[in-house]
Amino acid sequence: DQQVKQNSPSLRVQEGRISILNCDYTNSMFDYFLWYKKYPAEGPTFLISISSIKDKNEDGRFTVFLNKSAKHLSLHIVPSQPGDSAVYFCAASAEDSNYQLIWGAGTKLIIKP
Amino acid sequence: DSGVTQTPKHLITATGQRVTLRCSPRSGDLSVYWYQQSLDQGLQFLIQYYNGEERAKGNILERFSAQQFPDLHSELNLSSLELGDSALYFCASSLTGTGYNEQFFGPGTRLTVL
Repeated sequence: DQQVKQNSPSLRVQEGRISILNCDYTNSMFDYFLWYKKYPAEGPTFLISISSIKDKNEDGRFTVFLNKSAKHLSLHIVPSQPGDSAVYFCAASAEDSNYQLIWGAGTKLIIKP
Repeated sequence: DSGVTQTPKHLITATGQRVTLRCSPRSGDLSVYWYQQSLDQGLQFLIQYYNGEERAKGNILERFSAQQFPDLHSELNLSSLELGDSALYFCASSLTGTGYNEQFFGPGTRLTVL
């Protein structure tokens, strides 16, 4: 039972354009969401997070949007740069499960020059 | 560099064997997490320790065990290894074991079971 789903295994975006990565979840108790970025041969690196009391959080070129009614969140990267090419993981946690992070399978983002 | 170190980087062993993976958390972090990432899969949470005590358990097999030592480093022991145990094993650390703490990941240990 996959509680966090990233349905696109990969995404190709032109450099300079917007990259939109999507994540769906099934557990309505999730109240904190995170995006991590992973380069090959490295561990995941925290990128941005959002609490369920918000619907948007911005950090530079990265914005995360949360739609609680649809149980959907998205990560927008504007403008996309070659260094953004990586695997992006969405993760969610809930207070009632000890804040354990439940991870999506990841989306490989490829930025084309 | 996240400040989390893992050794070894690569490990190749045979079925039925036992291995130990080691993790040193960031300075000051009290909590350590272990994750398994099989090919093209997301990260599966295995187990969490906080200040030497087990805090949470995920999908950890009975053949696997872990501990956190007084100096806060942690070891993950994998025994009676099977081909399906081949995966990347990540360790992460966070400041505390409660609340919403950002987890900092090590570079991982790639285990290959032949």
